[in-house]
Amino acid sequence: DAKTTQPPSMDCAEGRAANLPCNHSTISGNEYVYWYRQIHSQGPQYIIHGLKNNETNEMASLIITEDRKSSTLILPHATLRDTAVYYCIVRNNNNDMRFGAGTRLTVKP
Amino acid sequence: GAVVSQHPSWVICKSGTSVKIECRSLDFQATTMFWYRQFPKQSLMLMATSNEGSKATYEQGVEKDKFLINHASLTLSTLTVTSAHPEDSSFYICSATGTVTGELFFGEGSRLTVL
Repeated sequence: DAKTTQPPSMDCAEGRAANLPCNHSTISGNEYVYWYRQIHSQGPQYIIHGLKNNETNEMASLIITEDRKSSTLILPHATLRDTAVYYCIVRNNNNDMRFGAGTRLTVKP
Repeated sequence: GAVVSQHPSWVICKSGTSVKIECRSLDFQATTMFWYRQFPKQSLMLMATSNEGSKATYEQGVEKDKFLINHASLTLSTLTVTSAHPEDSSFYICSATGTVTGELFFGEGSRLTVL
């Protein structure tokens, strides 16, 4: 019961922006949107999270729609090392984190 | 940032033996840790929630007598796979909640291979 829907795979050209969409139409008012990524055979890496405002850090930007039913993770200048599975997760800060299938992003030269 | 460390990173054992995996929060106190299992080409599946000083809460379908979880301190949780069989071969990952910002920090994972 991941509560999110993501495309199974996406390609992106190296140096271009990668925009990864996520639908979370049943999100509750107190649930945050988290993004993690997992490179093969490693633990998930935290990217960013937000509640309703757009967020930006050194890794990425998170755009959350006004109705909070969807969001987009933006990697502004994708590199080959950004190739990974990206997970969008909704979570209340007091609850566990359940992963869906994620999006396998492949950055191509 | 907060760091969660797992040990061992990989282990090979014979069928029928037990294997213990440690999960440590290195620079923060984690009242709650989570254990996940990941099979090849699949997503992470939550196995159990581990609270310091109390019994773990297991997800439906996860055998608590087979996967023993101990969370005796605020910085250490252990997962013991008892009487391991080849079907228990998997990537086991732990995580712990950061104290301030709420993000969940993950360990590097432990790959178990049961022969």
